[in-house]
Amino acid sequence: QQQVKQSPQSLIVQKGGISIINCAYENTAFDYFPWYQQFPGKGPALLIAIRPDVSEKKEGRFTISFNKSAKQFSLHIMDSQPGDSATYFCAPVGNQFYFGTGTSLTVIP
Amino acid sequence: GAVVSQHPSWVICKSGTSVKIECRSLDFQATTMFWYRQFPKQSLMLMATSNEGSKATYEQGVEKDKFLINHASLTLSTLTVTSAHPEDSSFYICSARLREGLSNEQFFGPGTRLTVL
Repeated sequence: QQQVKQSPQSLIVQKGGISIINCAYENTAFDYFPWYQQFPGKGPALLIAIRPDVSEKKEGRFTISFNKSAKQFSLHIMDSQPGDSATYFCAPVGNQFYFGTGTSLTVIP
Repeated sequence: GAVVSQHPSWVICKSGTSVKIECRSLDFQATTMFWYRQFPKQSLMLMATSNEGSKATYEQGVEKDKFLINHASLTLSTLTVTSAHPEDSSFYICSARLREGLSNEQFFGPGTRLTVL
């Protein structure tokens, strides 16, 4: 059973635009909702995370929106930059970690 | 922030040999470490969960006799790929779980690229 569905698989955005990546989950026991950023040949790094008691969290250009009833959370990257080009994973946490399939983001200068 | 290191960062070995990969938490104690493998353009696949002082818990389909995991201390876990074959070539990543109050973060190492000839 697929616990986490991430979309889109790939995304191309103009510099300065908004990048939006979505994650849908099935397990209502998840209690921590992070997004990870991974550059080629490197390990993932925590970008931003949210707990289910809030609906939105913003850190600089990065925002998580959380919809508990819909069992979805999304990552918004404002003013996207070429340096944001990477693969992004959602990885909700309960007793285990479940990684999304990843989204390859390319920001065109 | 919490730092996790891996050694080596890359290794090339001959088929049939064994390779050991180390994962260290540098500035915190990790009671739980995780080992993942990642194929090109794919997501991370959890291989096993490693708890200090006890046997690792392997995910379904992962051969525990082939991928030996030892978590000897609160800062070190090792993964040994025994009798490696070309199909074991992959990017291996470890992570350590940080539990402080309500925090539930895991911090990832930089990964180890294994190529089996």
